[in-house]
Amino acid sequence: QLQLQESGPGLLKSSETLSLTCTVSGGSISSTSYYWGWFRQPPGKGLEWIASIHYRGSTYYNPSLKSRVTISVDTSNNQFSLKLSSVTATDTAVYYCVRQEYYYFYMDVWGKGTTVTVSS
Amino acid sequence: EIVLTQSPGTLSLSPGERATLSCRASQSVSTSYLAWYQQKPGQAPRLLIHGASSRATGIPDRFSGSGSGTDFTLTISRLEPEDFAVYYCQQYDNSLYSFGQGTKLEIK
Repeated sequence: QLQLQESGPGLLKSSETLSLTCTVSGGSISSTSYYWGWFRQPPGKGLEWIASIHYRGSTYYNPSLKSRVTISVDTSNNQFSLKLSSVTATDTAVYYCVRQEYYYFYMDVWGKGTTVTVSS
Repeated sequence: EIVLTQSPGTLSLSPGERATLSCRASQSVSTSYLAWYQQKPGQAPRLLIHGASSRATGIPDRFSGSGSGTDFTLTISRLEPEDFAVYYCQQYDNSLYSFGQGTKLEIK
């Protein structure tokens, strides 16, 4: 059974760069049928898409975050990663990594999420 | 950008009752790209429905989705205690994902 696990620092200061990694187990990240992505959910609020990547390297980003976000993939380690620069308190959220179906754009596997807090 | 509006914001029902949750889009959404998720406190969302009406793997048949164009519905035919949660609709269009704000289904 495919599982996703987020890892990264739980606490950052304003202006720092957030770096998160998602490790894929129980399956290969090198599948043509899926994208891999990041979402986040601020405390008590709804879900926001951040970015997505295919193992061959094609990427797409939420325009509202694009200037601060980089997504990358490491097929040798079955991982993909997120970098978010110049964080502020509004970036405080639970961050989820997901598997996204390639043709119909739904998220069928989610990591458990990791809480990121940005302090001033 | 397509905006999804879910109603009601909160739905209070009893186990055994039927729940009807609405998701309205600001412009037409392809049925292929409309999904529903369930989220319980402290947990990640879980995919329930994709393609507007196709149940995801392992989802009980009391969950069903319908609709087209700008109006979509998630129906839970007979509520079980474990169904009380927050439900989100989601769409994809023009390289952008968006979610509704959620409907909280609570025990009456």
